[in-house]
Amino acid sequence: QKEVEQNSGPLSVPEGAIASLNCTYSDRGSQSFFWYRQYSGKSPELIMFIYSNGDKEDGRFTAQLNKASQYVSLLIRDSQPSDSATYLCAVKTSGTYKYIFGTGTRLKVLA
Amino acid sequence: GAVVSQHPSWVICKSGTSVKIECRSLDFQATTMFWYRQFPKQSLMLMATSNEGSKATYEQGVEKDKFLINHASLTLSTLTVTSAHPEDSSFYICSARERGNEQFFGPGTRLTVL
Repeated sequence: QKEVEQNSGPLSVPEGAIASLNCTYSDRGSQSFFWYRQYSGKSPELIMFIYSNGDKEDGRFTAQLNKASQYVSLLIRDSQPSDSATYLCAVKTSGTYKYIFGTGTRLKVLA
Repeated sequence: GAVVSQHPSWVICKSGTSVKIECRSLDFQATTMFWYRQFPKQSLMLMATSNEGSKATYEQGVEKDKFLINHASLTLSTLTVTSAHPEDSSFYICSARERGNEQFFGPGTRLTVL
């Protein structure tokens, strides 16, 4: 059973701090990794994707991938209350275009 | 770019009726469309994958006779929940893929079956 695991949280950080969200996956053949943000009652919104080991930065967001450890993370710098949402990690399964989603981490940014 | 729409955004129906949900890619041709279901406080569960012009591939445990998927064109896929029951009440979300690996999600359809 291919799995994607996330801590459900909630993860509470003060406004302006760095929020660190983590995700592990079981399928060693996975090549593509995605972070989505989902506000309550809304559908997921793509924040970032990463395919190669290392860091990928986009504005306040940095995705980090370590395939050897089967670990992907999302850092949010200068966290804002509007960042409060559930963050879903998704992994594209090897050989298909299907995603497996983690259960999501609920982030609360405290003003 | 990469806008996906769904219609309706919410629907309430009586038990035993059928409900059709449309998913459209507005500014790109979707090679593949996916249908997900999300129950409260749970993650997205993939129901089926559909490619234009071919039969949908359903995930294990999803009844294909109950959840009918039609992908008639590169911009439109429909999900019909047949003989809906209260346990089918959920948030149904479609996504579409163009050529890359990224999936772009529609806004979702909240189905309530009375």
